[in-house]
Amino acid sequence: GENVEQHPSTLSVQEGDSAVIKCTYSDSASNYFPWYKQELGKRPQLIIDIRSNVGEKKDQRIAVTLNKTAKHFSLHITETQPEDSAVYFCAATGNQGGKLIFGQGTELSVKP
Amino acid sequence: NAGVMQNPRHLVRRRGQEARLRCSPMKGHSHVYWYRQLPEEGLKFMVYLQKENIIDESGMPKERFSAEFPKEGPSILRIQQVVRGDSAAYFCASSGGEKLFFGSGTQLSVL
Repeated sequence: GENVEQHPSTLSVQEGDSAVIKCTYSDSASNYFPWYKQELGKRPQLIIDIRSNVGEKKDQRIAVTLNKTAKHFSLHITETQPEDSAVYFCAATGNQGGKLIFGQGTELSVKP
Repeated sequence: NAGVMQNPRHLVRRRGQEARLRCSPMKGHSHVYWYRQLPEEGLKFMVYLQKENIIDESGMPKERFSAEFPKEGPSILRIQQVVRGDSAAYFCASSGGEKLFFGSGTQLSVL
């Protein structure tokens, strides 16, 4: 089945800097790659997603890139703010339908 | 349009008791997924259901755990004879197609 690896596990940046989180997946049939943000004690919230027919997608300060050949995708956050501090999860569709397989998460800390 | 509703938010059980976790999907969504999250860990897939059908239960432990999504009413995740290792946050998500939306979770504590 699908396996998703995520790096780094923790990331600390200064406010205003950029943050990059990377994921790799194993199943070449996967075609949908969302990113979720989870604040402490809260539900995971979808922040951006990308499909396999697109190489890059941007939404204000957040962008996601996808390299299908290498089977990896990345989240880019520019001009980080303290409220960006959270755990971020990448995910990919499995090969058996709609279930998402998640990476291990990255704890992002933005220091003022 | 109410989001995914889970209850209870917190559930305390003693070892050997049963735990029942409920999930009402977003209006119009017919796909329900259950995930388990241990402290400082990721979201582990447990089971995927559609109305009256289990589509994929590859992440469910073989014993003590069961799930259903009846024609009427919420989806239920049932854990029989709970043990301390079952303590975790259990999240339900629903979708009407591709995007999954999560509920607020149920924090299960086994004493």
